Amino acid sequence: DAGITQSPRHKVTETGTPVTLRCHQTENHRYMYWYRQDPGHGLRLIHYSYGVKDTDKGEVSDGYSVSRSKTEDFLLTLESATSSQTSVYFCAIRDGGSQETQYFGPGTRLLVL
Amino acid sequence: GDSVTQMEGPVTLSEEAFLTINCTYTATGYPSLFWYVQYPGEGLQLLLKATKADDKGSNKGFEATYRKETTSFHLEKGSVQVSDSAVYFCALSDRGADGLTFGKGTHLIIQP
Repeated sequence: DAGITQSPRHKVTETGTPVTLRCHQTENHRYMYWYRQDPGHGLRLIHYSYGVKDTDKGEVSDGYSVSRSKTEDFLLTLESATSSQTSVYFCAIRDGGSQETQYFGPGTRLLVL
Repeated sequence: GDSVTQMEGPVTLSEEAFLTINCTYTATGYPSLFWYVQYPGEGLQLLLKATKADDKGSNKGFEATYRKETTSFHLEKGSVQVSDSAVYFCALSDRGADGLTFGKGTHLIIQP
């Protein structure tokens, strides 16, 4: 258990509304990640953070923004949700002491109507 | 860029059968390789990993060997159980802090 929680766990929203997903970790890891999981695509990286206020884009960052104002929280925001953003979103942390291993949270299932 | 290719399935086996799930990769550097497992309705759990050529990762009866010459990291288990039914993901890490590159996942179904 890497001490990662995600909230909410399930959300239904409407097209055009902003949505924020939260990832919280309890073990002070420097690196945090947001992925989305879609059938036929596996998991794809959206954004990641390598420290407070330090973030970078991943493979599928369009339409998403992130913020990290403190070590334990990494927020993912959908500026204006679209149906193509219906997905399962996973947060992960990287354990710097175990050779790049990433540990995942339980996921947030998002449905955009 | 980096990529991971694995059979997507579903792969259906009988209990106690031998399992192989193939995984091959393309990477620019010397990646670390991982297998993750996802049970229904849950997140991903690390199953095993290998960080250099010829390393063998093992856990819960599963094994995979890092083969640099064939750029492969095939997952094997000698005798599967119904409880092994899940989706298995092969992944690599090539650039340190950047994220993992995943295969599309293999859905494994074990029948009693």
